[in-house]
Order: sequence, then structure tokens, then C-alpha cells
Amino acid sequence: GENVEQHPSTLSVQEGDSAVIKCTYSDSASNYFPWYKQELGKRPQLIIDIRSNVGEKKDQRIAVTLNKTAKHFSLHITETQPEDSAVYFCAASIGALLTGGGNKLTFGTGTQLKVEL
Amino acid sequence: DTGVSQNPRHKITKRGQNVTFRCDPISEHNRLYWYRQTLGQGPEFLTYFQNEAQLEKSRLLSDRFSAERPKGSFSTLEIQRTEQGDSAMYLCASSLGASGRADEQYFGPGTRLTVT
Repeated sequence: GENVEQHPSTLSVQEGDSAVIKCTYSDSASNYFPWYKQELGKRPQLIIDIRSNVGEKKDQRIAVTLNKTAKHFSLHITETQPEDSAVYFCAASIGALLTGGGNKLTFGTGTQLKVEL
Repeated sequence: DTGVSQNPRHKITKRGQNVTFRCDPISEHNRLYWYRQTLGQGPEFLTYFQNEAQLEKSRLLSDRFSAERPKGSFSTLEIQRTEQGDSAMYLCASSLGASGRADEQYFGPGTRLTVT
């Protein structure tokens, strides 16, 4: 089955700096890669996703890049703010056309991001 | 609130007891997923439904676990003869499921189970 590795496990940055979180996946059939932000005691919140037919996607201060050949994808947060502090999870999924139905997500182990003033 | 809802939010039970959790997905969503999350880990897939059909179950889902989605709307997850290792956050997610491609999953707040 799919295996997703995520690094680093913790990341501290100064407010205004950039943060980068990296993930690798094992199954070349995976074609959907979402990122979730989870604050303490709260539900995982989808913040951005990318599909295998594109290499990069941006949404304001957040961007995600995908290298299908290397099976790497990364989350980039620019101009970090204290409210960006949370645990971030990457995930990978094989599309429904291949599975015959839905798309279960395989998650990484999470990155605790701390933005310091 | 039009998001995914779960009840109860917290459940404390004694080992050996049965527990049942409920998930109400976003109203027009056809796909419903159950995940389990333990402290410091990412969510792990348990099972999913396309409408009322349960299409896949993880090996994590032992015989003590059963899930239903009888009318293709809300879903229940039952754990029989609970064990301390079942203590975790049980998360439900739903997605539109209108196309054959992977679509965005939105999570509920979870049910935190503590088995004593």
C-alpha cells in the first residue's frame, strides 16, 4: 500500500519568514495530494491540494509543488504569521477511477510548525 | 452549521463495553470516510462508503468494528468489547463524490474515545 513520509517533524520559524514542509510517497499511482492544518483539539482543515497533472499551485501565502518523477511534494508558506502555528499533515490518494469508488487518504506523520514573534 | 458533525464529542468507557459513534456528513456529499487518529500521528483510514455501500475496509478494522450508512446519509461506527488500544480520536470525513476523480474531503470534529 501507499506510504507517506513527512519532514521535518517540528519546525520553528520567525514571524515573516518562510516555512517549507516536504513529503514523499511510494505509490506511483497516487494522483491527489492534499494538505491539512490541524490546530490543537480541532478538526483537520483542508488548506490546499494538488493533482498530478500540475506541478505547482498557489493560494495567497500558501503554495504546493509536486515532482511526480521523484515522488516528492512540498508545502510552502510565505510571510508566516503566529496564526499559522499548527500541525500540518500531507496526504496522498489514488483517484477514484482506479479504485472503483472513493479515495482513501494516506497521511504523513505531521509537522508541528511554530511561528515565533 | 453546514459542516460535518459528529456525536458524541467525547466518550469514556470501560474495557469490554460497546460504544457507537455517529457522523452526519455535509448534506449533498455521497462519500463518507472514517479515520482514526492517535496522539502525534496522522489520521489512519478505517473504511468508506459511497452512498449506502461500504466499499473498502482497512485491515485496522478488526471484527469488533462495524460501520453502517443505512440510508446513504448519516453513518455509525460501533466498537464492540472495547480495548484500551481503541483509545483514539475517531474522525469522519465526507466528500462530494460526484465524479470519478479524487475529491476534497472535509473532516468533522471527531469523537475522542477513552477506554479505561
